[in-house]
Amino acid sequence: SQQGEEDPQALSIQEGENATMNCSYKTSINNLQWYRQNSGRGLVHLILIRSNEREKHSGRLRVTLDTSKKSSSLLITASRAADTASYFCATASNSGYSTLTFGKGTMLLVSP
Amino acid sequence: SQTIHQWPATLVQPVGSPLSLECTVEGTSNPNLYWYRQAAGRGLQLLFYSVGIGQISSEVPQNLSASRPQDRQFILSSKKLLLSDSGFYLCAWSVQGASGELFFGEGSRLTVL
Repeated sequence: SQQGEEDPQALSIQEGENATMNCSYKTSINNLQWYRQNSGRGLVHLILIRSNEREKHSGRLRVTLDTSKKSSSLLITASRAADTASYFCATASNSGYSTLTFGKGTMLLVSP
Repeated sequence: SQTIHQWPATLVQPVGSPLSLECTVEGTSNPNLYWYRQAAGRGLQLLFYSVGIGQISSEVPQNLSASRPQDRQFILSSKKLLLSDSGFYLCAWSVQGASGELFFGEGSRLTVL
């Protein structure tokens, strides 16, 4: 079963607006990562946040992690049409060697 | 710098035919290697991962198999394709021993008719 579940499934905004996507997970994690996928392409890593971190920034991206609620959010500020893509969260468990488990993704459409 | 190559990019195959998707990584040694499948509108499902030559772990029982004949080569195969094998297949690698980021190939779109 999927570990991460993104919300909303789809999001449509105008250029310049902020986009917020949420991810919930079920088990304890070592870290949580966000990836971006343009239509028909491979995934690209955006940011990794460790379980002992609460917030992380990278350019226009801001990620928060609340381990007590088992949730994370990805904020894209001042969105651009080029940000149109699907965004996935992925979790790595803290039980020995682990692989990443991906959610179903949020499809973001940014209109000019 | 590290690069990952995956081919073919697009494949249309009849039911019952064999399959071979290949993935190679350059610029790194002893990577972890992964095969994921992505069905339309869904997330990624891990199919196989490998931590070394000849070492394959299967996550989901199916009629697919994987092999790692060389350190930086990962092959996904099937002897007889099913309609349900259609999907977008993604190869990825990561640094050995870390729960770090994955680096993905551009994917292979498989349509089984």
